[in-house]
Amino acid sequence: DTAVSQTPKYLVTQMGNDKSIKCEQNLGHDTMYWYKQDSKKFLKIMFSYNNKELIINETVPNRFSPKSPDKAHLNLHINSLELGDSAVYFCASSQRILTARDEQYFGPGTRLTVT
Amino acid sequence: GQQVMQIPQYQHVQEGEDFTTYCNSSTTLSNIQWYKQRPGGHPVFLIQLVKSGEVKKQKRLTFQFGEAKKNSSLHITATQTTDVGTYFCAGQPTSGTYKYIFGTGTRLKVLA
Repeated sequence: DTAVSQTPKYLVTQMGNDKSIKCEQNLGHDTMYWYKQDSKKFLKIMFSYNNKELIINETVPNRFSPKSPDKAHLNLHINSLELGDSAVYFCASSQRILTARDEQYFGPGTRLTVT
Repeated sequence: GQQVMQIPQYQHVQEGEDFTTYCNSSTTLSNIQWYKQRPGGHPVFLIQLVKSGEVKKQKRLTFQFGEAKKNSSLHITATQTTDVGTYFCAGQPTSGTYKYIFGTGTRLKVLA
């Protein structure tokens, strides 16, 4: 069984569209994250949830809205997609809150291409 | 803002040669983690360092945390083709939101 799974794996869409990426973890972890990896491979945190509560909200456009229906799921909805949103989006989870210094388990990533 | 830089950005080595990547933070870190990302893959946790001056080994990999807890290094002895990938350090600052700041990464290519 995959520990952290994401759907879809690939997403090709046109500018202006709205899309969602879903993430699920079956590890029983309390904390989940969204990261963005750009074409230069830079990994940057976007959001983090702990037990469905938003704890990290980096400086990302309001077009990005995360939602955590329960602690095993974290979705990312993106409105009015722009060319610059093209990247690989990784979901990750860790067992406890950030201060516990737990390792992060990453999902396989969703490669988003905006044309 | 807080930054974590890694050098070199790229490294090509002949199989059997050694490899080192250096990680430098603009702020003092509580701890540092290292991840490996294979081409087309996702980051996978390698190790965590917490104490000042700490050194940890995993087979051919040696990890070090600086005395001032602002830098770290990963050294691979006698590289193999399976070592190919991008190595990231991720530092957790001692204050703020406690998010991990990923380094810029070092892409390693091993030539057989």
